[in-house]
Amino acid sequence: RKEVEQDPGPFNVPEGATVAFNCTYSNSASQSFFWYRQDCRKEPKLLMSVYSSGNEDGRFTAQLNRASQYISLLIRDSKLSDSATYLCVVRGGGADGLTFGKGTHLIIQP
Amino acid sequence: DTGVSQNPRHKITKRGQNVTFRCDPISEHNRLYWYRQTLGQGQEFLTYFQNEAQLEKSRLLSDRFSAERPKGSFSTLEIQRTEQGDSAMYLCASQGAREKLFFGSGTQLSVL
Repeated sequence: RKEVEQDPGPFNVPEGATVAFNCTYSNSASQSFFWYRQDCRKEPKLLMSVYSSGNEDGRFTAQLNRASQYISLLIRDSKLSDSATYLCVVRGGGADGLTFGKGTHLIIQP
Repeated sequence: DTGVSQNPRHKITKRGQNVTFRCDPISEHNRLYWYRQTLGQGQEFLTYFQNEAQLEKSRLLSDRFSAERPKGSFSTLEIQRTEQGDSAMYLCASQGAREKLFFGSGTQLSVL
């Protein structure tokens, strides 16, 4: 099983719709979780951290499910500018290196 | 610009040549990471530094790869005897508060 797994997509979603995707991780001792956004030919940029209690930032909501070992990202009222690749990042319990998922490609269609 | 800076942006080299990339992190950040990104493999962790100390090195990093961070400031990543499989985007990131990573624009390496 890969350390961090994401559905690569692409997810084709009409503008204004709500979209959600998950990321599963294999190390139950993982401590920190993040969602990064990467635009085509650009570097990844932090979208939001994922806390145990879940967190919300505008149209974006991130949640952590430790029992099932996954994190989720929900985007409401999607905009064309939300089109990007969303990377799940996990820090394992034993290593300080951060592990990236391969990303989920999201396409918002007008 | 006080972000993470990487040079060069693009590097084209012939197989067997050595290449060196540079990363200048955000000045107050102690941790610096190197990643490699390819279309097929996504983002792969290579190594990271806490100040000048190299604390972790991925098994992906063969003996042809070496990284340094003298004085705990900028870092270099050298690839010796490059192979076509080394072609990728090499990304550097420095880590700020709450483990947030700030990435440079990357160095795109093409090995012919």
